[in-house]
Amino acid sequence: RKEVEQDPGPFNVPEGATVAFNCTYSNSASQSFFWYRQDCRKEPKLLMSVYSSGNEDGRFTAQLNRASQYISLLIRDSKLSDSATYLCAVKGYSSASKIIFGSGTRLSIRP
Amino acid sequence: GAGVSQSPSNKVTEKGKDVELRCDPISGHTALYWYRQSLGQGLEFLIYFQGNSAPDKSGLPSDRFSAERTGGSVSTLTIQRTQQEDSAVYLCASSLVTESEQYFGPGTRLTVT
Repeated sequence: RKEVEQDPGPFNVPEGATVAFNCTYSNSASQSFFWYRQDCRKEPKLLMSVYSSGNEDGRFTAQLNRASQYISLLIRDSKLSDSATYLCAVKGYSSASKIIFGSGTRLSIRP
Repeated sequence: GAGVSQSPSNKVTEKGKDVELRCDPISGHTALYWYRQSLGQGLEFLIYFQGNSAPDKSGLPSDRFSAERTGGSVSTLTIQRTQQEDSAVYLCASSLVTESEQYFGPGTRLTVT
């Protein structure tokens, strides 16, 4: 089993729809969680950190479920510009632990 | 402020040659990562530097790959005797501390002919 897993998609949804995807992690001691966005042929860019209490930034909401070991990303009122690959990242509890990325979920918003 | 920079942005080399890729992290960032990404694929972890600790080299695919980080700042990834399967985008990222988010450079696109 991979340490961090994502559904590769693609998710193809109409503009204005709400879309959500999850990312599961295997290490229950993981402490830090992030969502990144990567556009085609570009580097990943931080979308948001995921806190235990959840995190909301405009149309984007991220949540952490420690009991089931997954994080989620919800996008409301999706825009064409939201089309991208969304990567989750998870870090273990010790300072020596590296951040591990999922392989990404592709999202395509259609007009 | 300045972000993570990488050079060169593109590198075409002949099979069997050595290449050096450079990464300048954000000033003050203690953690530095190298990743490799082939077209349409996810990020492949290569190596991780954290402060003065020994680097985590567990992702390096072969002994042809090595990296160093001088003075806790600039890092160089070296690939010796390049092979065609080394062709990919090599991404560098840095973070303030290990628990914090990473910031990526624009990458070096390596093509081995």
